[in-house]
Amino acid sequence: SAVISQKPSRDICQRGTSLTIQCQVDSQVTMMFWYRQQPGQSLTLIATANQGSEATYESGFVIDKFPISRPNLTFSTLTVSNMSPEDSSIYLCSVPLRGGGTFFGQGTRLTVV
Amino acid sequence: AQSVTQLGSHVSVSEGALVLLRCNYSSSVPPYLFWYVQYPNQGLQLLLKYTTGATLVKGINGFEAEFKKSETSFHLTKPSAHMSDAAEYFCAVSDQIKAAGNKLTFGGGTRVLVKP
Repeated sequence: SAVISQKPSRDICQRGTSLTIQCQVDSQVTMMFWYRQQPGQSLTLIATANQGSEATYESGFVIDKFPISRPNLTFSTLTVSNMSPEDSSIYLCSVPLRGGGTFFGQGTRLTVV
Repeated sequence: AQSVTQLGSHVSVSEGALVLLRCNYSSSVPPYLFWYVQYPNQGLQLLLKYTTGATLVKGINGFEAEFKKSETSFHLTKPSAHMSDAAEYFCAVSDQIKAAGNKLTFGGGTRVLVKP
């Protein structure tokens, strides 16, 4: 399995501000995924970050709110823009596992006040 | 579209008793199926997965799951619960055809409490 480093591990932010979350993988991967886990809820896929092309967003998520960068095969960022308390969640990046499934980072626990 | 239903958002078991977590899925194509575990304040860890072949899959920490196509189920079991099994468990499905994309659809999760 890969080693995924996600930063920051947690943050408390003021509403109206933006936070950029970084995800670094120790090996090159074609796709990286960003998930959101709202308090007490399951995980929902936000988008797929593709190197060299625009991210692919799932229904209900838009680029203006969650811009994603993927400058190379080992790194991606997710920005949560113009935050509100409803954005308080755990944000997780993940990479594909050989043979199916996905390997998750430890997540970023975001609280918006 | 795919979906996953986990029956029971909370399960309480006694230490040493059987752990049974239920998962049913819907998928228009042959699925890949997964169980993940999330310990408090940690990320998700893959317990086991079914892709092809043997329908009884063994995972880490003594867990196993059986894929039953006729019942569209992938229930997770462990014969004897340990205190360290207290965590939240998520069942997930992805398209077998699009497996390279590994986009997962998750169930709502089941929180397991182990009583001494």
